[in-house]
Amino acid sequence: DIQLTQSPSFLSASVGDRVTITCRASQDISSYLAWYQQKPGKAPKLLIYGASSLQGGVPSRFSGSGSGTEFTLTINSLQPEDFATYYCQQLNSYPRTFGQGTKVEIK
Amino acid sequence: EVQLLESGGGLVQPGGSLRLSCASSGFTFTNYAMSWVRQAPGKGLEWVSALSVSGVTTYYADSVKGRFTISRDNSMNTLYLQMNSLRAEDTAIYYCAKMATVGTISGKHPLDYWGQGTLVTVSS
Repeated sequence: DIQLTQSPSFLSASVGDRVTITCRASQDISSYLAWYQQKPGKAPKLLIYGASSLQGGVPSRFSGSGSGTEFTLTINSLQPEDFATYYCQQLNSYPRTFGQGTKVEIK
Repeated sequence: EVQLLESGGGLVQPGGSLRLSCASSGFTFTNYAMSWVRQAPGKGLEWVSALSVSGVTTYYADSVKGRFTISRDNSMNTLYLQMNSLRAEDTAIYYCAKMATVGTISGKHPLDYWGQGTLVTVSS
């Protein structure tokens, strides 16, 4: 099975900051990676797919990059509504594993 | 508007069974592979299972293989998860989710719509 490791697990940031979250895969997954945002008590929301393609309706301050085994999610100019937990998921093979999550908290 | 509505969760004793349902609307259910994802209290997301459009091809996480069965009724636009031999570690919110793109279950597509989840608690 492909393992995904996110870093950091927790991140404290201020409104307006630029935030970067990393997701590392245990083997090459090409660009088959998605990012989701989850707020407390809510279902996850798809942000990015194909490592760098923005899902419709998602603000352009979110961006993704990477291929192979290392990927990043960047949030430019963090907004109050962005404080949430973020997960990566590999789409290369089954089981479709998730990273352990990165919680972005208000500083 | 795409809607996914899970039901069937509840409290069950260890070793017991539950059947979850996910009623869908707002899209052509028969065109999309579907998945179940769970989240234990205070924990991260865990992919559980996926099912092809035809209902023939299935995939399972090792943690549920042999105990859970995913199925669908395309005439009812409904996805199911039959859970047997339940354990305390199966306690979680269970989400159903739709694959983003029409196509085979092997397509490397994300999950673009999720239900609100149904809570399963396994405890004596």
